[in-house]
Amino acid sequence: SQELEQSPQSLIVQEGKNLTINCTSSKTLYGLYWYKQKYGEGLIFLMMLQKGGEEKSHEKITAKLDEKKQQSSLHITASQPSHAGIYLCGANGVFGTSGSRLTFGEGTQLTVNP
Amino acid sequence: EPEVTQTPSHQVTQMGQEVILRCVPISNHLYFYWYRQILGQKVEFLVSFYNNEISEKSEIFDDQFSVERPDGSNFTLKIRSTKLEDSAMYFCASSRTEETQYFGPGTRLLVL
Repeated sequence: SQELEQSPQSLIVQEGKNLTINCTSSKTLYGLYWYKQKYGEGLIFLMMLQKGGEEKSHEKITAKLDEKKQQSSLHITASQPSHAGIYLCGANGVFGTSGSRLTFGEGTQLTVNP
Repeated sequence: EPEVTQTPSHQVTQMGQEVILRCVPISNHLYFYWYRQILGQKVEFLVSFYNNEISEKSEIFDDQFSVERPDGSNFTLKIRSTKLEDSAMYFCASSRTEETQYFGPGTRLLVL
């Protein structure tokens, strides 16, 4: 079954730069979740998107879900070293699964150089 | 702010031994989950638990695994006879509804 694909796999930016991470599915998503993980630590919930065209922001991070609900992007404005980590997208209700089981992408490793 | 807690943070065990990983979910949450992440791989779903029973499990969650909510606060994952390939980070998560899941910091399990 099709899984979630994230791009890029890794990203190195200079502090202050903007960046975008993408998450793509071949199937319509029911719920799309963005998490941040620091190496060897737990997942920190960032945002959930459910409606086509929905956009949410928290501090300098903005996430969007396209109209077809098959692609989401996470945009960070004026990146800071505190934004460094692994960004994971997760989805439920797709890929032949039921209920609230989350399927995750491979993650995008973000490094922000001061 | 309430959070999910997990103990121990690290566990080293010998192959064939039983291990119990413990989690305290957020207090008003009703849905509980276990996931695992083998080093360098994706986070994978193991099992979900609601209303004192398993609501869904993955193909990974075989007869060696079991979950329990022994009291009103703890949620445990037991691996009966550990294998080398069980070495991974195990995450507990909880949610109030079938939506946003909040994850604990994880237990790093190493099977020797």
